[in-house]
Amino acid sequence: QSVLTQPPSVSGAPGQRVTISCTGSSSNIGAGYDVHWYQQLPGTAPKVLIYDSNSRPSGVPDRFSGSKSGTSASLAISGLQAEDEADYYCQSYDSSLSGWVFGGGTKLTVL
Amino acid sequence: EVQVLESGGGLVQPGGSLRLSCAASGFAFSSYAMTWVRQAPGKGLEWVSAIVGGGGNTYYADSVKGRFTISRDNSKNTLYLQMISLRAEDTAIYYCARFRGQPMTTRCIDYWGQGTLVTVSS
Repeated sequence: QSVLTQPPSVSGAPGQRVTISCTGSSSNIGAGYDVHWYQQLPGTAPKVLIYDSNSRPSGVPDRFSGSKSGTSASLAISGLQAEDEADYYCQSYDSSLSGWVFGGGTKLTVL
Repeated sequence: EVQVLESGGGLVQPGGSLRLSCAASGFAFSSYAMTWVRQAPGKGLEWVSAIVGGGGNTYYADSVKGRFTISRDNSKNTLYLQMISLRAEDTAIYYCARFRGQPMTTRCIDYWGQGTLVTVSS
């Protein structure tokens, strides 16, 4: 059971918008620790997609956006494309565990 | 160009030991905290261990505490993970990665290696 909770899967048609939620608690997201999102394409290493809850590294399209409120965070992907099909993970720090935590991951399927 | 390259994975029997290495290049290695993250076959990401730039402070997930030791040699730009008393549940791809900056608790992991596979089986 992951400390951060994500839906196991989401799907959408090309061009649509999807959101992936990440629910934490008062010892991680709710304590003010930033949330980061990673994209993992099949057979590859994870890549940072959103950092500090809502910032994009250079090279990441603005179709990807992040937000945080209270004990939760969300990743939104607009204008879905076939190449967005991947696993997505949220990550933060947990003060109770004194360690870094990941969500269980969400598999995005582009229909 | 920032690069991190893991090595040392392989097949080991339960109860055995293994040392992973991670060679870093393209950045001021001693200025960055580093971490190991693993991924069991078909499963999600699990943080394993982290170490500050100077090597003085180390952190471990409860699942590996007392069995794994993270260390670094800043003169060689190399990160290590010594693993003992290995169990079947330690079977995973182990990724070496860099924290984006300080403080570690709020920074993302911005560069990842391609991973090295550790298989614990008899």
